[in-house]
Amino acid sequence: AQKVTQAQTEISVVEKEDVTLDCVYETRDTTYYLFWYKQPPSGELVFLIRRNSFDEQNEISGRYSWNFQKSTSSFNFTITASQVVDSAVYFCALSEGQTGNQFYFGTGTSLTVIP
Amino acid sequence: EPEVTQTPSHQVTQMGQEVILRCVPISNHLYFYWYRQILGQKVEFLVSFYNNEISEKSEIFDDQFSVERPDGSNFTLKIRSTKLEDSAMYFCASSTFPSGRAVKGDTQYFGPGTRLTVL
Repeated sequence: AQKVTQAQTEISVVEKEDVTLDCVYETRDTTYYLFWYKQPPSGELVFLIRRNSFDEQNEISGRYSWNFQKSTSSFNFTITASQVVDSAVYFCALSEGQTGNQFYFGTGTSLTVIP
Repeated sequence: EPEVTQTPSHQVTQMGQEVILRCVPISNHLYFYWYRQILGQKVEFLVSFYNNEISEKSEIFDDQFSVERPDGSNFTLKIRSTKLEDSAMYFCASSTFPSGRAVKGDTQYFGPGTRLTVL
């Protein structure tokens, strides 16, 4: 079974629209950590956010915001007023507290922002 | 800002040849990792390395793979006899807590990747 599911394979939005990228995770651990990474066309993986399972506060960083809901095992990522530079593949990842440090990545969501 | 570096950026090799991918993790980090991403697919964990030994490895990391920290700064991934299916982007990552003590769930900082093409 997939530990991290990103059901949206590709999304296209017009510049300045808001867009939400979904992430659903599965774990039996009570302590775990969730991450989002951005992979622009150049290929590198850029860290965006880390959230631990005990902190359900939503976070906002500029145009980015994250909604963590343990009740639905979701950690969704919203970009407000999207820009062309936001075009990238976005990966959600899970690190389980009991079973080591490896990250389990979702399959990624490819976001295209159309000018 | 410190960053993970990887060399080469692109490696082309013939099937059956040995390749060594090199990484320089962030200097005060204690945990090192290799991941791979086959074109268009998700990023997959290969191995983690701590205190000069492998701490975890995935099913992908079979006997053809090995890792080494040959000196105080480099971390290498060796593939002994490459196969066509080894063609992928290989990412190195490193992590630690600011206190210097690595704990679970640390943010992993990734290098720019090495694109390996096996012909």
